[in-house]
Amino acid sequence: GGIITQTPKFLIGQEGQKLTLKCQQNFNHDTMYWYRQDSGKGLRLIYYSITENDLQKGDLSEGYDASREKKSSFSLTVTSAQKNEMAVFLCASSMWGSQNTLYFGAGTRLSVL
Amino acid sequence: AQSVTQPDARVTVSEGASLQLRCKYSYSATPYLFWYVQYPRQGLQMLLKYYSGDPVVQGVNGFEAEFSKSDSSFHLRKASVHWSDSAVYFCAVSAGKVVFGTGTRLQVSP
Repeated sequence: GGIITQTPKFLIGQEGQKLTLKCQQNFNHDTMYWYRQDSGKGLRLIYYSITENDLQKGDLSEGYDASREKKSSFSLTVTSAQKNEMAVFLCASSMWGSQNTLYFGAGTRLSVL
Repeated sequence: AQSVTQPDARVTVSEGASLQLRCKYSYSATPYLFWYVQYPRQGLQMLLKYYSGDPVVQGVNGFEAEFSKSDSSFHLRKASVHWSDSAVYFCAVSAGKVVFGTGTRLQVSP
């Protein structure tokens, strides 16, 4: 088996601050994803990456940047944190292909003061 | 583009009762369909998936789901729920990218 590790678990930022979230997987999966989870809105796709150095925008990419410099890691940057923003960011990975299961990390909880 | 609708934000059932969580999808062809579960403060875990064949698929912990092409639905069922089934359940459609519904929070009362 494998594991997805997200760091940090909790992130408190200031309005306007640039914040970076990190994700590591040891499944040797090709594809990695970043989702944002808000109460009552389910999971919304921010970015995904089919392979190393590839980036694909999801439905919620505005206000975020992503980086996939290695197959095992995928970073997400909030370019300018919004005041009173609260959300959970979930990282996932899978083999490439629609039939494949996504494996999720436990999430990073963001609060912006 | 694909989309998923889970019409029930919250469902409460008594322990031992049967359960159905509803999911409707929109896509031009038959996509891969999944149900995931999220326990408190954890990521999501897959319960079951469907693409073709028998429209009733079995998953973990006694869950099953039934695909209906005519109704564009993929409802999740369980014959007898346990208190440990309390969690948030997400239906998902996979066709290139994976799109999730808004989730249904299940509360099992004693």
